[in-house]
Amino acid sequence: KNQVEQSPQSLIILEGKNCTLQCNYTVSPFSNLRWYKQDTGRGPVSLTIMTFSENTKSNGRYTATLDADTKQSSLHITASQLSDSASYICVVRVGGTSYGKLTFGQGTILTVHP
Amino acid sequence: NAGVTQTPKFRVLKTGQSMTLLCAQDMNHEYMYWYRQDPGMGLRLIHYSVGEGTTAKGEVPDGYNVSRLKKQNFLLGLESAAPSQTSVYFCASSYRATGFDIQYFGAGTRLSVL
Repeated sequence: KNQVEQSPQSLIILEGKNCTLQCNYTVSPFSNLRWYKQDTGRGPVSLTIMTFSENTKSNGRYTATLDADTKQSSLHITASQLSDSASYICVVRVGGTSYGKLTFGQGTILTVHP
Repeated sequence: NAGVTQTPKFRVLKTGQSMTLLCAQDMNHEYMYWYRQDPGMGLRLIHYSVGEGTTAKGEVPDGYNVSRLKKQNFLLGLESAAPSQTSVYFCASSYRATGFDIQYFGAGTRLSVL
């Protein structure tokens, strides 16, 4: 069964600090992995998309890493801001078919305090 | 700059009542999707559409029906609402359903069934 597990479930940090969110997946065949940011009361918004050939991808203060061998990904947030408070969702796309199903993790809720 | 628009934003139903959720996109996307998001769980696909006049079942289709009479609109219907259908519903759209294609989400509809 395809699964995406994220840790921690929630995280509280102080403004200006860095943090790292984790994602483990068991999806086969693998096409790509993406990270979404979901603000409270809003829909998810794409941050990054990575294939197995990419180890690292950045989007401003967000840096995603992917280890296709261990099937793990991380999202590192640098110099956090209050606006980073959100749920971060790891999503893996299944490959090898005409319709690439997305498998969603349950999300990590990040709270940034001043 | 509307993107994906969902109506209504909130709704309270009594068990057994019916309702229709409307999703509209202005990006000329072929693919549209309905998801539900429950606490502690990842988004789950209810139904999707690969083009005007077509629909297909996702992971959790029971109790829901959909229609895509126009390319820009995707309707989700609940014929006889049950408390288990209390959830936040998200509509999304994309150009394709493979590779690096990004799904764009609406802001969600929060539904409570009493």
